Amino acid sequence: EMQLVESGGGLIQPGGSLRLSCAVSGFSVTTHYLSWVRQAPGKGLEWVSLIDNGGAMFYADSVKGRATISRDTAKNTLYLEMNNLRVEDTALYYCTRVDNYYAFFHNWGQGALVTVSS
Amino acid sequence: EIVLTQSPETLSLSPGETATLSCRAKHFVSSTYLAWYQQKPGQVPRLLIYGASIRATGIPDRFSGSGSGTDFTLTISGLEPEDFAMYYCQQHVRSLYTFGQGTKLEI
Repeated sequence: EMQLVESGGGLIQPGGSLRLSCAVSGFSVTTHYLSWVRQAPGKGLEWVSLIDNGGAMFYADSVKGRATISRDTAKNTLYLEMNNLRVEDTALYYCTRVDNYYAFFHNWGQGALVTVSS
Repeated sequence: EIVLTQSPETLSLSPGETATLSCRAKHFVSSTYLAWYQQKPGQVPRLLIYGASIRATGIPDRFSGSGSGTDFTLTISGLEPEDFAMYYCQQHVRSLYTFGQGTKLEI
C-alpha cells in the first residue's frame, strides 16, 4: 500500500525557516513524481513544488527562490525546505504522489500544519 | 501560469438533482492533464476524474467529466447527500500545476 506521512510542521516566526519531511512507503521516491500542495485555512488548494523521477525540480511563483524540494533515496523521504517565511505561507502542507502520465495528484498524505505568526 | 476559473462559486441544489460545475482556462489545456477532485471538511482531497473524462477507481458513474481546450465540465447526476462538498479542477502544463479556486456544492 502506498503511504505518505508528513512531519515537521509547527509555529514559525515570519522570516524563519522550515523543513517538512514526507516518509514514503509502498513505492520508491525515485520512480514517481512527488509534489507538495498546500491549503491555507478555509482556502483552496495551491500547488507548491514538484520533483520528477529524474530529479528535476519545479516551483510555484509564490515560493520560487524561497523553497527547495529534495528527496533522500536511502530514507525514501521527500523534503520541502522554505526560508523567509511569510504569514501567507500558513497552510496545511500535503505531500502527494503525482501520476507520471496524466499529471494528477494520486495519493495524498494527511498533511503537516505550518503556522507563520509572531 | 495558466489560471483556472471555476463557476459558480457556490451551487445550491437538492438531492436527486443534477449539478453542473464549470472550469475555464485562460489558455489551452490538454484534456490529458485536466483533473477534478472532491474535498469534504477535514478530509484530504479525493480524485474523481482525470484525463478530463476518465473516472478514477471506485468513483460512482453519476460523476462524469467532459470538455476540451479551455472549457471543462464536471457533471454529477442524481445528487446523493454525500456529494455535497467542495470541488476543484486542476491542470498541468510544462511541469507547472494549478488548481481552480473551487466550487462549493451545498444543499
